[in-house]
Amino acid sequence: GENVEQHPSTLSVQEGDSAVIKCTYSDSASNYFPWYKQELGKRPQLIIDIRSNVGEKKDQRIAVTLNKTAKHFSLHITETQPEDSAVYFCAASGGGTSYGKLTFGQGTILTVHP
Amino acid sequence: GAGVSQSPSNKVTEKGKDVELRCDPISGHTALYWYRQSLGQGLEFLIYFQGNSAPDKSGLPSDRFSAERTGGSVSTLTIQRTQQEDSAVYLCASSLGASPLHFGNGTRLTVT
Repeated sequence: GENVEQHPSTLSVQEGDSAVIKCTYSDSASNYFPWYKQELGKRPQLIIDIRSNVGEKKDQRIAVTLNKTAKHFSLHITETQPEDSAVYFCAASGGGTSYGKLTFGQGTILTVHP
Repeated sequence: GAGVSQSPSNKVTEKGKDVELRCDPISGHTALYWYRQSLGQGLEFLIYFQGNSAPDKSGLPSDRFSAERTGGSVSTLTIQRTQQEDSAVYLCASSLGASPLHFGNGTRLTVT
């Protein structure tokens, strides 16, 4: 089955700096890669996703890049703010009828210091 | 509109007892998923329902776990003879076809 590795497990940055979280996956058939943000005690919320037919996607301060050859994808947050502090999870799935059958990484605790 | 609703929000049970967790998906969503999140861990897929197709049960950790979805809407996850290692947050999510998942707030299960 699919295996997703996520690094780093913790990340501490100063407000205004950029943050990068990286994930690798094992199944070359995976073609859907979402990122979720989970604040303490709350539900995971989708912040951005990418499909395998594109290499990069941006949404304001957030961007995701995908390298299918190397089987890795990354989340980039620019101009970080204290409210970006949360746990971030990457995930992968094979799409199609198993679109939401996601394999998650172990999460990255991001702390943004004012 | 209303999001995914789960009940109860918290459940404490004694080892060996059975528990039922409920999920009300977003109206009209055809797909429903159950995930488990142990303390400090990522989410682990358990089972999913897609329309009238047979559910994908490949993530259920043992035969003590089962789930059903009645009328294509509400789903119940049942854990029989609970064990301490079953303690976790159980998250339900729904989606409309090949679209992103919308998660509920989860049920925090504690087995004493």
